[in-house]
Amino acid sequence: DAGITQSPRHKVTETGTPVTLRCHQTENHRYMYWYRQDPGHGLRLIHYSYGVKDTDKGEVSDGYSVSRSKTEDFLLTLESATSSQTSVYFCAIRPAGGGLDNEQFFGPGTRLTVL
Amino acid sequence: SQQGEEDPQALSIQEGENATMNCSYKTSINNLQWYRQNSGRGLVHLILIRSNEREKHSGRLRVTLDTSKKSSSLLITASRAADTASYFCATASYSGGYQKVTFGIGTKLQVIP
Repeated sequence: DAGITQSPRHKVTETGTPVTLRCHQTENHRYMYWYRQDPGHGLRLIHYSYGVKDTDKGEVSDGYSVSRSKTEDFLLTLESATSSQTSVYFCAIRPAGGGLDNEQFFGPGTRLTVL
Repeated sequence: SQQGEEDPQALSIQEGENATMNCSYKTSINNLQWYRQNSGRGLVHLILIRSNEREKHSGRLRVTLDTSKKSSSLLITASRAADTASYFCATASYSGGYQKVTFGIGTKLQVIP
């Protein structure tokens, strides 16, 4: 699992509450990603980071923000959770070496339910 | 919209048979990757094929890439019950200095013992 952990692994929350998911890696990889996975949609990129304090939006970034103050941690925040954000969230890292031709390594996922 | 689309969306075969999954995409790519996901787990990388490659092997896996047709196939030979999982193709392209990877919706493979 390339030293990637996600916390919490499961969370149930109510609509309108803030939620922060944490991704932690132990190998100082530069690139980190947040995806959500929903039936019929596969994995969709929410935000990604290419270094400390360097982040950019993915295809489904509305309602989400991210922060990366340390190389090892990439935080995903739902400022005011909605039921449409019920999903499984995956963090991934990509080693910088090897140029473009290197794969991503995924964390175990966080199952978030917004009631 | 998804860059990659897998076909079929579900596949059920007997152990020992071969399984073939296809992926089509729409725009130019630098490489195409295949991942496996077991139920309740994260994705695991299987194989990467570059845009200038046509075929690649890894153990019981064989991947082909046809950039003129914008399609790829993943063949798993002599399938085992442990191959039961969802398989995703992901296309990678270089955009604004960074790699952009887009995943398809996956093929759910069931291998019956």
